[in-house]
Amino acid sequence: GENVGLHLPTLSVQEGDNSIINCAYSNSASDYFIWYKQESGKGPQFIIDIRSNMDKRQGQRVTVLLNKTVKHLSLQIAATQPGDSAVYFCAENASGGYQKVTFGTGTKLQVIP
Amino acid sequence: EAGVVQSPRYKIIEKKQPVAFWCNPISGHNTLYWYLQNLGQGPELLIRYENEEAVDDSQLPKDRFSAERLKGVDSTLKIQPAELGDSAVYLCASSPDFGGELFFGEGSRLTVL
Repeated sequence: GENVGLHLPTLSVQEGDNSIINCAYSNSASDYFIWYKQESGKGPQFIIDIRSNMDKRQGQRVTVLLNKTVKHLSLQIAATQPGDSAVYFCAENASGGYQKVTFGTGTKLQVIP
Repeated sequence: EAGVVQSPRYKIIEKKQPVAFWCNPISGHNTLYWYLQNLGQGPELLIRYENEEAVDDSQLPKDRFSAERLKGVDSTLKIQPAELGDSAVYLCASSPDFGGELFFGEGSRLTVL
């Protein structure tokens, strides 16, 4: 079956440092990837996305890297702030013959003031 | 613009009782999703609608779960009868069409006693 983000680590980062959150996926047919942020008691919220024809995309303080060779995604957060504390999920979309949006298990980011 | 609205936010019931959750997606969004989220895990798809048609309900436990989106707008997810293992957060999401960013509601937290 499809597995996205098999690991659920907790990442503790000092405020002001950069954070890197990783995600592995196994569906080679996936062509669109999204990072979501979920704060306690809320639904996931879109952060940044990337299509499979790209290997890097930058937003405001966030960068997503895609390595299709090893089926790996990463989310980099620059100058991490206390408000970045949340659980981060990667999600993959396979828009071909079998359309499905699959979420990984998530990574909890704790920002130490 | 109003986001995805879900109700109730919290529901506590005894096992074997029925429960229903309601979702109003963002206006104009054709695709509607119901996800189940257990504590510490990523959302798992239960059912996806394209307008009023359920196009992916393969993960919906049809012996006790049902869903409808009669007019292609709002949707209801029902569980009858509820079991202890159904305790979770039920998330509704919508998107303009399949393959893009999902907009989530805040979820309905179910506790089955």
